[in-house]
Amino acid sequence: NAGVMQNPRHLVRRRGQEARLRCSPMKGHSHVYWYRQLPEEGLKFMVYLQKENIIDESGMPKERFSAEFPKEGPSILRIQQVVRGDSAAYFCASSPPKGIGNTIYFGEGSWLTVV
Amino acid sequence: QKEVEQDPGPLSVPEGAIVSLNCTYSNSAFQYFMWYRQYSRKGPELLMYTYSSGNKEDGRFTAQVDKSSKYISLFIRDSQPSDSATYLCAIRSGDGGYNKLIFGAGTRLAVHP
Repeated sequence: NAGVMQNPRHLVRRRGQEARLRCSPMKGHSHVYWYRQLPEEGLKFMVYLQKENIIDESGMPKERFSAEFPKEGPSILRIQQVVRGDSAAYFCASSPPKGIGNTIYFGEGSWLTVV
Repeated sequence: QKEVEQDPGPLSVPEGAIVSLNCTYSNSAFQYFMWYRQYSRKGPELLMYTYSSGNKEDGRFTAQVDKSSKYISLFIRDSQPSDSATYLCAIRSGDGGYNKLIFGAGTRLAVHP
């Protein structure tokens, strides 16, 4: 069974460029979460999506960040006009539909470096 | 006050020692508690998952929740060098029934031979 797949694993962007991070959930999982881990800090919730719906984006910065989970294809976390403070590890996680299990599985992360 | 507090360590122990990792939390309404292990430059891996108070054991790992004290613990028996990692406690928040997790800062553990 393939786990949660994230790509790219490492991404370097210059200030002002755009970063796109992709996440394919585990097979059978329809719920996707994005978390961010800043250096020397714990993971912080960003957004929770189901197919074609953003359910909770309370952890997303108000500007420059957006997320989607289209009907077909992976979930995308998009960061426009990146700044140095966006340098972090971005983790995607997935879980089965509600009621089947509460377990959440994380991918290996995408490490964004802004130079 | 942070919702979840965790001593970042580092914690260094000899192989075979019993390790105790702890977190405190502020909201008495929290019901679901998790421990994750994270190796360097890797994603968090779920170790233990408990609901409400009590103990749960899985091999060398025991998770304990004391809701009256708002205190959660992870014990590792017969620790091995391969246990060297960062351990994150996490609590599921919100009433939406989904996995909006609040994480502690993580405790870095080193088990030396």
